[in-house]
Amino acid sequence: AQTVTQSQPEMSVQEAETVTLSCTYDTSESDYYLFWYKQPPSRQMILVIRQEAYKQQNATENRFSVNFQKAAKSFSLKISDSQLGDAAMYFCAYSGNQAGTALIFGKGTTLSVSS
Amino acid sequence: GAVVSQHPSRVICKSGTSVKIECRSLDFQATTMFWYRQFPKQSLMLMATSNEGSKATYEQGVEKDKFLINHASLTLSTLTVTSAHPEDSSFYICSARAGDLHNSPLHFGNGTRLTVT
Repeated sequence: AQTVTQSQPEMSVQEAETVTLSCTYDTSESDYYLFWYKQPPSRQMILVIRQEAYKQQNATENRFSVNFQKAAKSFSLKISDSQLGDAAMYFCAYSGNQAGTALIFGKGTTLSVSS
Repeated sequence: GAVVSQHPSRVICKSGTSVKIECRSLDFQATTMFWYRQFPKQSLMLMATSNEGSKATYEQGVEKDKFLINHASLTLSTLTVTSAHPEDSSFYICSARAGDLHNSPLHFGNGTRLTVT
């Protein structure tokens, strides 16, 4: 079975600084998808970034980028120029490549941003 | 963009009663919907996969007779918590895949906070 591990329950960063959230996963599949979701206090799940395993290039979305290391099964999220609105719980998630596959989530990392 | 509507957003019920939560895909058809449960400051735990026109697939440890799932149309899945107990109090979130492909986008509802008194 696939598992997702986030080893940092809490992280903090100052405004305008950069922070990296860690995620590792375990799978025997060769083709899969990885995601980072943000969950603010409203509890709405917001997709931050997505990475296809077959793509070697790391995904980037504005201030958010990932470091995808397939061999090491590592998928970290880097937030640059942190803003107060980035404060939230961040979940790393895995999805296999079969139709009807659900997301498997890590335990989450609570990110606080200070001014 | 695609929207998933979940209703109600909050519900309080008494022990022993049943509660129904609806998950609708508003502008797309979803053959598969997923139900998650989230305790405070914890992760989303998959409860079951809801398949249109067939029985839901439940994760290990989830009581299918307690958490009844019905996916009667391509735009609606319902989760009914039967004979609710205080330990069923939690945040329930549904999600739906906009398309049949494994790489189709997954959209989440806004969740339902259930409190059983």
